[in-house]
Amino acid sequence: DIQMTQSPSSLPASLGERVTIICRASQGISNNLNWYQQKPDGTIKPLIYYTSNLQSGVPSSFSGSRSGTDYSLTISSLEPEDFAMYYCQQDASFPYTFGAGTKLELK
Amino acid sequence: EVQLVESGGGLVQPGRSLKLSCVASGFTFSNYGMNWIRQAPGKGLEWVAYISSGSSYIYYAETVKGRFTISRDNAKNTLYLQMTSLRSEDTALYYCARHSPRRGYFDYWGQGVMVTVSS
Repeated sequence: DIQMTQSPSSLPASLGERVTIICRASQGISNNLNWYQQKPDGTIKPLIYYTSNLQSGVPSSFSGSRSGTDYSLTISSLEPEDFAMYYCQQDASFPYTFGAGTKLELK
Repeated sequence: EVQLVESGGGLVQPGRSLKLSCVASGFTFSNYGMNWIRQAPGKGLEWVAYISSGSSYIYYAETVKGRFTISRDNAKNTLYLQMTSLRSEDTALYYCARHSPRRGYFDYWGQGVMVTVSS
């Protein structure tokens, strides 16, 4: 199985700040990397698919990229509604696997 | 509007069975693969199972293989998860999620249904 290592697990940040979350796969996943946001009420929505494609309706403050084996989710300027949990997920092969999550919290 | 509504959760004793349902609306259910994904209390997300649009392809996580069965009824726009030989570690919020037609990501999620396995 492909293991996804996500960091940091917790990220204190301020409104308006730029933040980055990283995921690294245990083997090559050829850009098959997606990002999700989970709100405290449990609601989950996709943000980015195939490394850098913005899901419809997601603000342009969100972006995704890849550098070597590291896949990144960047939020350019934090809004109040951005404070949530974030998960990466690989769909290169079954079983699909998620990173452990990053809790983005208000500093 | 795409909607996925799970049901069938509850408290069940270890070793017993439970069947979850997910009713889909707002899209042509028979055209999409579907998934079950779970989240244990205070933990992260774990993909559980996938079924293709016509049920030809089915995949499971190793943690549930041989105990859980994913199925669908396209005439009823409903996805199922039959869970047998339940264990305490199966306690989780179970989400159904639609498989995007473009890539292998989950483009719509339900609100989840809680399953608690305890004596």
